[in-house]
Amino acid sequence: GAGVSQSPSNKVTEKGKDVELRCDPISGHTALYWYRQSLGQGLEFLIYFQGNSAPDKSGLPSDRFSAERTGGSVSTLTIQRTQQEDSAVYLCASSPRLAGGYEQYFGPGTRLTVT
Amino acid sequence: AQSVTQPDIHITVSEGASLELRCNYSYGATPYLFWYVQSPGQGLQLLLKYFSGDTLVQGIKGFEAEFKRSQSSFNLRKPSVHWSDAAEYFCAVKDQNRDDKIIFGKGTRLHILP
Repeated sequence: GAGVSQSPSNKVTEKGKDVELRCDPISGHTALYWYRQSLGQGLEFLIYFQGNSAPDKSGLPSDRFSAERTGGSVSTLTIQRTQQEDSAVYLCASSPRLAGGYEQYFGPGTRLTVT
Repeated sequence: AQSVTQPDIHITVSEGASLELRCNYSYGATPYLFWYVQSPGQGLQLLLKYFSGDTLVQGIKGFEAEFKRSQSSFNLRKPSVHWSDAAEYFCAVKDQNRDDKIIFGKGTRLHILP
């Protein structure tokens, strides 16, 4: 079946511009996660959705970052007034949250470059 | 705080040689453990997982991992590596207090010599 998809795959933007990153989770997966992966670094948790609500926003690095999820499906991560330190790969993952099914399924990521 | 440690940042092995990637976790009870692989330019792919039962877990691509409670370890192994196994490998554990959170190690980058 279809996996997690993300768009765009690459985004180059100028410092100060806003960007929107999109994630389409696996159909039926109730949980959705956003992570950031900087060059040579591990995964940095950003935000988690259960359905359309975000019970954990603790990883968002600043108020320039926001995310929403609609219809329990598609999610958008928005970065306002981008800075060079925002350059990274942004990964989305979804999880069925079934009993014993705690694993997350990842999309290919969006590589964001802020110039 | 709960943590996952992958002590090796880089590992280099020759094609055809055996492989063991180390992972240690801090946890009190029986953990839920995962190994993921990330090929260049790709997202993370689940290799295998351990929840309970047999402590030797088989995964995809010929990988296996063994849960050793006494050592708080969940090392990943493969008897004979292929050039296509060159990638970054992440060990992870479910947060013991939350069903919705997985804690990832910082990863081990595997290089394969021809």
